[in-house]
Amino acid sequence: NAGVMQNPRHLVRRRGQEARLRCSPMKGHSHVYWYRQLPEEGLKFMVYLQKENIIDESGMPKERFSAEFPKEGPSILRIQQVVRGDSAAYFCASSLGQGNTGELFFGEGSRLTVL
Amino acid sequence: AQSVTQLGSHVSVSEGALVLLRCNYSSSVPPYLFWYVQYPNQGLQLLLKYTSAATLVKGINGFEAEFKKSETSFHLTKPSAHMSDAAEYFCAVSEGGNNRLAFGKGNQVVVIP
Repeated sequence: NAGVMQNPRHLVRRRGQEARLRCSPMKGHSHVYWYRQLPEEGLKFMVYLQKENIIDESGMPKERFSAEFPKEGPSILRIQQVVRGDSAAYFCASSLGQGNTGELFFGEGSRLTVL
Repeated sequence: AQSVTQLGSHVSVSEGALVLLRCNYSSSVPPYLFWYVQYPNQGLQLLLKYTSAATLVKGINGFEAEFKKSETSFHLTKPSAHMSDAAEYFCAVSEGGNNRLAFGKGNQVVVIP
């Protein structure tokens, strides 16, 4: 799964600050997915994006969270006014396209700690 | 909506013994099923996947899983555990290959020398 790059790997924020997590998909991949992993939990789907489009954001909290995947540059997951409950590992995955392979390639994650 | 159940968050197995991780799924359409492995502080790596071809699927590192529709199961096995198998294992399901995976809570596997 080398190739999906996420940064920062670790991020510490105080309550009320903003967190920005970046994801560069594998070369040639135009589909990006964000998942959140809470302690002792599996990964939960958040959002699915293609270049310049949000395809499915049904897993995104209604407030404070947003995601984008611009024509140029990485995908960004933005969390405004962070709270302690936002502390989690955020994983980005990419795929070549939506299809029946179903295989996602994951990055190593960004671990957010909110103090 | 699809979902996955993995029982037993922590699984201990002796080196050389059988590894068995259970996964049961719920899906309203024929599912695609996956097992991923996660090593500490790393991302998820695909072990194997079922996409409606052969019901017995072989993956990397000697793992295999069998799809049983009648039991809605996709259990993961490895005949002989190795120390390097210590990791967390996640079962996941998608409906119709839409790439929106639903994950189970995972099994943390500990291998005892």
